Amino acid sequence: KAGVTQTPRYLIKTRGQQVTLSCSPISGHRSVSWYQQTPGQGLQFLFEYFSETQRNKGNFPGRFSGRQFSNSRSEMNVSTLELGDSALYLCASSLAGTGREKLFFGSGTQLSVL
Amino acid sequence: QQPVQSPQAVILREGEDAVINCSSSKALYSVHWYRQKHGEAPVFLMILLKGGEQKGHDKISASFNEKKQQSSLYLTASQLSYSGTYFCGTESNNAGNMLTFGGGTRLMVKP
Repeated sequence: KAGVTQTPRYLIKTRGQQVTLSCSPISGHRSVSWYQQTPGQGLQFLFEYFSETQRNKGNFPGRFSGRQFSNSRSEMNVSTLELGDSALYLCASSLAGTGREKLFFGSGTQLSVL
Repeated sequence: QQPVQSPQAVILREGEDAVINCSSSKALYSVHWYRQKHGEAPVFLMILLKGGEQKGHDKISASFNEKKQQSSLYLTASQLSYSGTYFCGTESNNAGNMLTFGGGTRLMVKP
């Protein structure tokens, strides 16, 4: 079974630009959640999607958005990039999204904002 | 609010034991533990649910004290492969996958 796939692996953007990151969950998994990882802040929850609906949202500005498609693949978008958005963005999938089952993480997208 | 992990870092010799603690100010439904090696994705270790159960997995086990909102991860007879950063993730809203992770504990096991 293929794992969680995130593309691209690395991304370099400049301030003010927009970026879209992609996440393909494990086949059959319906919940996809996104996390931002930085050395100073650790893993911060962005949002969670389940069956194409955003079910939970973390404390991030509206510049961060996401969506989930009918095949459970998810994208997250960051508009008007700021230097502080430089981070590793991880997505994680799980079967039913109960909060009581293990998360399978992708290898992440390393975003650098110059 | 982020759970607090302690210690922030620990260095062990092979064969030594370690305990990593995770403490939350919120009532918890579950506590997750993950290990992340440098440049890799976090990998699931175990989940503990309300009920104070202790779980084991090879020489790594954990406990969850729901009254104190605390969990501890026990690493016994550590191996070189145990090196990495350990994160606890807590679930407090009972509304799906919304884990709040602690700041992490860096563990280094030396020969």
